[in-house]
Amino acid sequence: AQSVTQLGSHVSVSEGALVLLRCNYSSSVPPYLFWYVQYPNQGLQLLLKYTTGATLVKGINGFEAEFKKSETSFHLTKPSAHMSDAAEYFCAVSDILTGGGNKLTFGTGTQLKVEL
Amino acid sequence: GAGVSQSPSNKVTEKGKDVELRCDPISGHTALYWYRQSLGQGLEFLIYFQGNSAPDKSGLPSDRFSAERTGGSVSTLTIQRTQQEDSAVYLCASSLDRMNTGELFFGEGSRLTVL
Repeated sequence: AQSVTQLGSHVSVSEGALVLLRCNYSSSVPPYLFWYVQYPNQGLQLLLKYTTGATLVKGINGFEAEFKKSETSFHLTKPSAHMSDAAEYFCAVSDILTGGGNKLTFGTGTQLKVEL
Repeated sequence: GAGVSQSPSNKVTEKGKDVELRCDPISGHTALYWYRQSLGQGLEFLIYFQGNSAPDKSGLPSDRFSAERTGGSVSTLTIQRTQQEDSAVYLCASSLDRMNTGELFFGEGSRLTVL
């Protein structure tokens, strides 16, 4: 079964500092990997995804993530944090469901706090 | 509306009562998912519907949980004889493509509190 581990349930950075949110996955097949963001009182929205091809993927709001198969990692980064980045971030790996859909297995989330 | 719509947004019920949560997916999306978000436990897959195919119910935690999707659109998640451990945010998501190499579009969730 697929699984995802997010190191650090809470991460705090200063505005303008590098954001690094860690995600490691376990998968028996080449995975599809996702990062979702949840702003306060809102639903989850897709930040970026890796399916095939280039291992460095870019998402919305200046975020990017690199798929490293040898490390089974898909860490999320942003060079310079902004106050508006404060949210909860979820890493997810896909698994094929009966009927062809993809079940996303989510990590437990990382709450990002951005301080002045 | 353009997004996934869920109702009610908040539901408080007494232990032992039945509750129904509704999800209206994005028009044209054939895939529909229910997830449960509990404090400190992340998101837990519950059930998946794809078109007229039999649903994947592998994530339902007990036989008190059931879901249906009528006409390939609106879905209802029913929890019978609610227990306090059922308290959580129940998220619905829909998707356009069968293999979901794209993205899931989530609603804002239904927060269930069982007293």
